[in-house]
Amino acid sequence: GQNIDQPTEMTATEGAIVQINCTYQTSGFNGLFWYQQHAGEAPTFLSYNVLDGLEEKGRFSSFLSRSKGYSYLLLKELQMKDSASYLCAVMDSNYQLIWGAGTKLIIKP
Amino acid sequence: GAVVSQHPSWVICKSGTSVKIECRSLDFQATTMFWYRQFPKQSLMLMATSNEGSKATYEQGVEKDKFLINHASLTLSTLTVTSAHPEDSSFYICSARKRETEAFFGQGTRLTVV
Repeated sequence: GQNIDQPTEMTATEGAIVQINCTYQTSGFNGLFWYQQHAGEAPTFLSYNVLDGLEEKGRFSSFLSRSKGYSYLLLKELQMKDSASYLCAVMDSNYQLIWGAGTKLIIKP
Repeated sequence: GAVVSQHPSWVICKSGTSVKIECRSLDFQATTMFWYRQFPKQSLMLMATSNEGSKATYEQGVEKDKFLINHASLTLSTLTVTSAHPEDSSFYICSARKRETEAFFGQGTRLTVV
């Protein structure tokens, strides 16, 4: 079966760095997405990785290792507004998105 | 990015009535649109994939007669929840695919059935 695993909840301090991991097992692979979702709102696109390595975008970076079925989202200089759920999703061989359950990130002052 | 407009943002309806939710891609053509449902504190659940000009493909367990999807043009897909019941209360989100690797979400519609 297809499976995406990510931690349910994480807590971090304002100004610090946090890494949210995602492991996956899917039928085929056409890229991995990270989305941010604030409570009650639709997800917003953060990053897309299809090749191994690190993609940096401002305070957010995303890493992918296809051989390990592993990705992480790295958030630096955390701000209170970063409190949200972070969803990992993999596009399978049929170009369908397989969603993880999301990681709720709590930022403390 | 690209803009996907979903309307209405929230709706309250009486049990037994039908509700239509619209999803529009405003600045691109979307041959494929996806409809998701999200229960509180849970992940997005794909309900169906809508292709312009053809019948939608429903995920297992989703009643096609209850959740009617119409993708009549390259910029508009609609989801109609027929004979709504309180258990249909949920957050419904559409996503429009611009390219194979880019999909943009609508704002979501919070449906409350009373």
